[in-house]
This record gives sequence, structure tokens and C-alpha cells, in this order.
Amino acid sequence: DMQMTQSPSSLSASVGDRVSITCRSSQSISTYVNWYQEKPGKAPKLLIYAASSLQRGVPSRFSGRGSGTDFTLTISSLQPEDFATYYCHQTYSIPYTFGQGTKLEV
Amino acid sequence: QVQLQESGPGLVKSSETLSLTCTVSGGSINNSGYFWGWIRQSPGKGLEWIASIYNSETIYYNPSLKSRVTTSIDTSKNQFSLRLSSVTAADTAVYFCARHSSGYAALDYWGQGTLVSVSS
Repeated sequence: DMQMTQSPSSLSASVGDRVSITCRSSQSISTYVNWYQEKPGKAPKLLIYAASSLQRGVPSRFSGRGSGTDFTLTISSLQPEDFATYYCHQTYSIPYTFGQGTKLEV
Repeated sequence: QVQLQESGPGLVKSSETLSLTCTVSGGSINNSGYFWGWIRQSPGKGLEWIASIYNSETIYYNPSLKSRVTTSIDTSKNQFSLRLSSVTAADTAVYFCARHSSGYAALDYWGQGTLVSVSS
């Protein structure tokens, strides 16, 4: 299975900070990476697809980049509603797999 | 606006079969150009993709679960279903249904999730 290694597993930040979360795949996966935000008791929400495409309705402070094995999700200026858990997700090969998550905390 | 809603028992006995249904509203499930998938999240754990179905001929399963999983689609009811046999405590999780495209397979619409507990 394709391993997706996310870092850090947790991150403390403040409103207004710029933060980045990275995801590394065990093999090259082109740009077959998606990013999700999950809040307690809610379903994950798609933020970024195809490594860098912003999902409709998602604020432009979210951005993604990368190809091959290294991918990054960046939030340019943290807002209070951004404190959540973030997951990367590879869809290059079956089984689709997720990173272990990054919990973004105040 | 597409909406998905999971339904099924919240408690299943060990060794029995877990059965869930996802009802799709706001769009047709038939020849929609989309796959319909199942994902689960064990308590305090990460996300695990289980299966995706496009139609009865095009179905993908997670190999780690393939021997126990069946997914099917009922276009007349605009629903798709999951069956997981021989469950154990390790199958206790929140089960989500979701939609994705055939390209980058990004999960763009999700159900709210349903907790299924396996009891001994």
C-alpha cells in the first residue's frame, strides 16, 4: 500500500499565523493528492484536490503544492475556524490511503 | 446540492454482518459520472478507504477488507450499500459514505457518518 506520512502530527499556532503541513508518499504519485479538514463530529471537508486545485467555496487562504512524493498544504493566515485536523489522501493507486492527520491547535 | 445520508444498525454482534445504506439526494446516482464510496474512521484513529462503486461492473475494494466486503448500487432507490461480514471489535468505527470523481477521486460530498459498534 502507498504510505502517506504527514508531519507534524500536531501543531500549535495562533490566529494570523502562516502554517504548513507536509505529506510524503512512499512512491511517486504525480499530483494525485487531496487535502481535507475535519472537525469533531463532522465529516471531512475537501479543501484541495489534485495537489493544488482549490475546491469551490474554500477560502483562498488555503493552498496546496507539490508533485511526486512531497506535498504541502499551507494556510496563509489562520482564522479561528481553521483549528481542526487535516488529512492528506492519495488516489494514485488502490487502496486509496490517507495520512495519519495533523491536529492544528491554538 | 448533493446530499448523502448513511443508515443502518448502530450495534452489530461480533462475527455477524454489518450492513449500511447510503441514500443520495439532489442528484441521480445512475450514470452520474461519479463513484460512490465508503470510508471509515475508528475511534481516535485515522481514515480508511473501504470501497468505491461506479456501477455493478465497476467496483474497487481495499484489498485488506476485500474478502469480507461487498458494495452494491440500487439506482431505482438512488442508494448504495455496504456489507462487511465476520465483524470484530476492530470494525467498530464511524462509517462515512461519499462521492468522488473518476479522475483525482477527491471525496467532494460526504454523509455525516454513522457510528457502528461491534459487541461481543
